[in-house]
Amino acid sequence: NAGVTQTPKFQVLKTGQSMTLQCAQDMNHNSMYWYRQDPGMGLRLIYYSASEGTTDKGEVPNGYNVSRLNKREFSLRLESAAPSQTSVYFCASSDGPQIAKNIQYFGAGTRLSVL
Amino acid sequence: DAKTTQPNSMESNEEEPVHLPCNHSTISGTDYIHWYRQLPSQGPEYVIHGLTSNVNNRMASLAIAEDRKSSTLILHRATLRDAAVYYCIPNTGTASKLTFGTGTRLQVTL
Repeated sequence: NAGVTQTPKFQVLKTGQSMTLQCAQDMNHNSMYWYRQDPGMGLRLIYYSASEGTTDKGEVPNGYNVSRLNKREFSLRLESAAPSQTSVYFCASSDGPQIAKNIQYFGAGTRLSVL
Repeated sequence: DAKTTQPNSMESNEEEPVHLPCNHSTISGTDYIHWYRQLPSQGPEYVIHGLTSNVNNRMASLAIAEDRKSSTLILHRATLRDAAVYYCIPNTGTASKLTFGTGTRLQVTL
C-alpha cells in the first residue's frame, strides 16, 4: 500500500542550485498537489493539478515550477533555490475537486534545506 | 475562504475522551467541514468530514452545530498515538485546495 511516494526524503542545496522533487501516487487519483510547511505553521499550497494535463497556481507559487508528467506523477522544480525555500514539502492526491470527495492523501514529505 | 479558529493546544489523559472545538462562523451553506491531523514528522492524514449532521467513523466523531458556525471533533478514547496537530478545514468547493491554519496541538499523557 504505497499511496503517495515522495523522493528524496531529505535534501540540502546551496543557494542558486536547482532540483526537482518527485511525487507519484498509485491510487489512480485525478488531482495532485504540492504544499510547503514552514516551522510552526500550517501547510500552504504551491501548485496543484486538477487533472492530467492541467496545472494551476496556489497560494505561494513564486520560485517554483511543476510538471504533471502523467496521471501518476507530479513533480516540483526549484530553478534557483533560495534560503527562503527551506521548508518541508508535501505532495498530496485526491479523487478530484468535488466538494464532498476532496479527501487528500499525503506523502511523508521532503525536508529541504537551502544554505 | 472561510476563516477558522481553533485553540492552539489541548491536553488529555490517555483513555479519556477529547473534544476538539473549531469555530467557522463565515462558512458558506455548501462548504463541507473536513478534519485532518498531522502526527510528528509525518504528512497530514484525513480524519473525518461532514456537512450538517453528525458523522462517525472508526477514527472519530464529528459534531456540527445546528447553525454550522462551529464543530467539534471527538476522540472517544485518546491514546498516545493520537498526539498530533488537528486541523479543521472548511472545504470551499470551487477550489480543490485545502486551506490549513495552525491547528490544535493535542498532547496525550499517561
